Amino acid sequence: RKEVEQDPGPFNVPEGATVAFNCTYSNSASQSFFWYRQDCRKEPKLLMSVYSSGNEDGRFTAQLNRASQYISLLIRDSKLSDSATYLCVVYMIKAAGNKLTFGGGTRVLVKP
Amino acid sequence: SAVISQKPSRDICQRGTSLTIQCQVDSQVTMMFWYRQQPGQSLTLIATANQGSEATYESGFVIDKFPISRPNLTFSTLTVSNMSPEDSSIYLCSVEDPGQYYNEQFFGPGTRLTVL
Repeated sequence: RKEVEQDPGPFNVPEGATVAFNCTYSNSASQSFFWYRQDCRKEPKLLMSVYSSGNEDGRFTAQLNRASQYISLLIRDSKLSDSATYLCVVYMIKAAGNKLTFGGGTRVLVKP
Repeated sequence: SAVISQKPSRDICQRGTSLTIQCQVDSQVTMMFWYRQQPGQSLTLIATANQGSEATYESGFVIDKFPISRPNLTFSTLTVSNMSPEDSSIYLCSVEDPGQYYNEQFFGPGTRLTVL
């Protein structure tokens, strides 16, 4: 089983609609969680950290469910510019060194 | 967040040769990381490079193939040695910055490597 799993999509979303997708992680000792956005042929960029109580940043809402070991991302009022691959990232502090583990990404295509 | 640059941005190399990728950060950072992203795949950590110590490599990656230097707190290099077509990938460096609650990682623009 992969450490971090995502539905690869693509999620085809009409402009203005809401889209949500999850990411599951296998290691219950994982300490912090992030969503990154990666545009085609570009580096990943941090979209938002995911806090235990859930958090919102404009049209984006992230949730963490430690009991079921998943995080989610919801995008409201989708814009064409939201089309990208969204990477779920899990962070662990280990004796050998801190480590980010990336999911395979969920591709979102927002269409007019 | 830190501003990260990488050189070269892309290269096409012959098999059997080596390429050194440079990563420069605009501020001093303790931890730097090197990742690989193969076509259509997500990112895989190659190694962690801390200044003043040997790099720590992840399973499947060895120093002879991917030697790393970290001479100071703003610079690191990754060398891809004795390249084969399987090494064709994007190589990204990243640095860790303290965020509001968690340490957050930021990435350089990547080096797109094609090995013929």
